[in-house]
Amino acid sequence: GAGVSQSPSNKVTEKGKDVELRCDPISGHTALYWYRQSLGQGLEFLIYFQGNSAPDKSGLPSDRFSAERTGGSVSTLTIQRTQQEDSAVYLCASSLAPRGVPNSPLHFGNGTRLTVT
Amino acid sequence: DQQVKQNSPSLSVQEGRISILNCDYTNSMFDYFLWYKKYPAEGPTFLISISSIKDKNEDGRFTVFLNKSAKHLSLHIVPSQPGDSAVYFCAASAIGGAQKLVFGQGTRLTINP
Repeated sequence: GAGVSQSPSNKVTEKGKDVELRCDPISGHTALYWYRQSLGQGLEFLIYFQGNSAPDKSGLPSDRFSAERTGGSVSTLTIQRTQQEDSAVYLCASSLAPRGVPNSPLHFGNGTRLTVT
Repeated sequence: DQQVKQNSPSLSVQEGRISILNCDYTNSMFDYFLWYKKYPAEGPTFLISISSIKDKNEDGRFTVFLNKSAKHLSLHIVPSQPGDSAVYFCAASAIGGAQKLVFGQGTRLTINP
């Protein structure tokens, strides 16, 4: 597709269950980011993948959160043993970020709205 | 530690007038700044950016000003249009933009007819 695609668009889960959120970045984009936006808050950085480099996981709030990016393309954000405070919109973004040319704008998907009951 | 701050959660402006959105940052290593616009149920979309080597960047109705000594940037929209009603996020990154973007909390702009 032409843009960043995220699925599902909405997810309701019970506290304690695991969830997987998927992101399909724009084809050819080497950088991929996960952010989340809690109600009334700004965008909180979670994790950043750049090519084959080790991901920057500095924003993951706890060890219940993990993310993978397979084949340099699709990414999955996994939240284990979900808690109510995990409820938020999870946004994925990708950018071209060609080597030696930084500052490529991020292209965001429409997000996954996660509700933990 | 909020490194990028947008102290006005909301702003209301009359159509045709100038909208000024403000953003402050604390990290002196930031050298690239962006503004994103977000409509409900959609992801943020890139609006305009500025490098720290400049103090102004203009694109049509949108102008971003950077005051490095004050660690302050602003977005000017003139003339404001109803379609500009959205949440605006300021973002910053360091090391030539190669590092992750840090976002502010956002300002909800409402343009009144």
